[in-house]
Amino acid sequence: EIVLTQSPGTLSLSPGERATLSCRASQSVSSSYLAWYQQKPGLAPRLLIYGSSKRATGIPDRFSGSGSGTDFTLTISRLEPEDFAVYYCQQYDNSRIVFGPGTKVDIK
Amino acid sequence: QVQLVQSGTEVKKPGASVKVSCKASGYTFTSHGFSWVRQAPGQGLEWMGWISAYNGNTNYAQKVQGRVTMTADSSTSTVYMEVTSLTSDDTAIYFCARDGVIAAAGRFDYWGHGTLVIVSS
Repeated sequence: EIVLTQSPGTLSLSPGERATLSCRASQSVSSSYLAWYQQKPGLAPRLLIYGSSKRATGIPDRFSGSGSGTDFTLTISRLEPEDFAVYYCQQYDNSRIVFGPGTKVDIK
Repeated sequence: QVQLVQSGTEVKKPGASVKVSCKASGYTFTSHGFSWVRQAPGQGLEWMGWISAYNGNTNYAQKVQGRVTMTADSSTSTVYMEVTSLTSDDTAIYFCARDGVIAAAGRFDYWGHGTLVIVSS
């Protein structure tokens, strides 16, 4: 079973800064099935990126995804106050869906 | 607009079963499937399985296989997940999420608000 590792565990940044979040898979995965979610306290997760680089409906263009093989990245170009949250990568492979442990982006 | 409305908080004793519902509206129910995802207190997300609302096919995570049953009722646009033999490790918020119709695809574009299940003696 594929294991997803996210780094860093916590990212402390200020509004306006750039955030770069990493998701690494234990083996090569299809970029078609790599997604990113944002979750704020007390709320359900929200789909940000699917197919490793496609923004979901209504997601601002400051969010972008990239990567292939085993290494994927979520970039937030300029952090807005509402972007401070936990971010999860997720992968579908061989009839299984796996989430990474998450990266918390908090205010510095 | 698409909405997924889940049933309310459940408190169960160890060894009991729980059945959580998720009612969909705002789109054609049978055009999608659903995945269920749970989140233990302070923890990350764990996928539990998937059901097609089109034909009722299911695919369960290995960890819960044998204890989880997912069903879909197209007459009420509602999906259900039953978990049996509950332990304290099943205490979590359970989310339904809209997914692919032929197979789980991991593109969860709409989510329910979550159902808290507490397992305690």
